[in-house]
Amino acid sequence: DGGITQSPKYLFRKEGQNVTLSCEQNLNHDAMYWYRQDPGQGLRLIYYSQIVNDFQKGDIAEGYSVSREKKESFPLTVTSAQKNPTAFYLCASSHQYEQYFGPGTRLTVT
Amino acid sequence: GDSVTQMEGPVTLSEEAFLTINCTYTATGYPSLFWYVQYPGEGLQLLLKATKADDKGSNKGFEATYRKETTSFHLEKGSVQVSDSAVYFCALALRGGSNYKLTFGKGTLLTVNP
Repeated sequence: DGGITQSPKYLFRKEGQNVTLSCEQNLNHDAMYWYRQDPGQGLRLIYYSQIVNDFQKGDIAEGYSVSREKKESFPLTVTSAQKNPTAFYLCASSHQYEQYFGPGTRLTVT
Repeated sequence: GDSVTQMEGPVTLSEEAFLTINCTYTATGYPSLFWYVQYPGEGLQLLLKATKADDKGSNKGFEATYRKETTSFHLEKGSVQVSDSAVYFCALALRGGSNYKLTFGKGTLLTVNP
């Protein structure tokens, strides 16, 4: 089945540690996206990539980093510089304007 | 900048009631419009879409019509079910470079009681 996988579903880290969230797609889409979801705030764009080896900052990129070495993969690193990292993170890929979402990773930092 | 405003929830209905969730937008350009649905603990799923004025998107009994004159894309369903309980997001897409970015509303939580 084609789709987007995110792992793990739940992730727990101590404050001060970097953590990397995985996102893989087998839809052969060029574009991939990372969003952060907080209660009552909808989705906010962190980073996006339109092509391998290229990515752009979204609205809230501070404290995050990404890489796009393969078309299928777009991992997100939440660094210790991110002041409030606890959130639900969603990855998506797109063909033209239609975005397809993964199941999400809930990150809790204590 | 581009933005989407949707009615604040939560919305609580009884089974078989009529549903309307209002959505209006502002955009520099001619956007495509979407409704996404998110069930508890899951990612978003595309519910329906419309790409030009007067288009009606429909899926699973839900409908929304792209109204350019009122910059609106209201979601409706004639008879809701308990299984429709979820968060609904209105979104618009404008082309940026060779791909598109989505701008989302804040979401509306719908609870349907038996």
